[in-house]
Amino acid sequence: EAQVTQNPRYLITVTGKKLTVTCSQNMNHEYMSWYRQDPGLGLRQIYYSMNVEVTDKGDVPEGYKVSRKEKRNFPLILESPSPNQTSLYFCASRLETGGGYGYTFGSGTRLTVV
Amino acid sequence: AQSVTQLDSQVPVFEEAPVELRCNYSSSVSVYLFWYVQYPNQGLQLLLKYLSGSTLVKGINGFEAEFNKSQTSFHLRKPSVHISDTAEYFCAVSDNTDKLIFGTGTRLQVFP
Repeated sequence: EAQVTQNPRYLITVTGKKLTVTCSQNMNHEYMSWYRQDPGLGLRQIYYSMNVEVTDKGDVPEGYKVSRKEKRNFPLILESPSPNQTSLYFCASRLETGGGYGYTFGSGTRLTVV
Repeated sequence: AQSVTQLDSQVPVFEEAPVELRCNYSSSVSVYLFWYVQYPNQGLQLLLKYLSGSTLVKGINGFEAEFNKSQTSFHLRKPSVHISDTAEYFCAVSDNTDKLIFGTGTRLQVFP
């Protein structure tokens, strides 16, 4: 089944403790992206990657890092999480670059930073 | 710069009634438009998209949307909703770049 898999689904952590949220897609998609969803703000893009070793900042990149060493994986790294990073995170991928392709989304990771 | 406005944060409706979820966008270039649905505790699923051609677009689950360039709108409609349509709906816009801009979402609540 074609899908984007995120892990974990739920995560509670303490301020300052480094964490990684994994994302993997099995569709050979070139383009991958991370979004965060907050009430009243919709989804905002954190980082995106157009292909292996090519990443760039989205609208809200502060406090996050990403890497794209393999085509299928696009982990999101929080080096020193803070409470304002408590949010619902989504990984998404699509076949190619260019605006006309729809995304496939993962099921989300609900992160709480205390 | 592109932006998307979803005019209603919540839309309550009774089962079998028609519904319209409103979306307006702003962009200086040609755009692609999307509607996504998010069921409780799930990721986003593509409902439908407008790329070019016919302005009336049909999607999954009986939804349709009409692209209106003069009014810069892309409203989502369904003639008769079901309880199972209760979800959050997001309108999104993209141009020829890779950026997809989402609206703030509309929560559709269907009552029996």
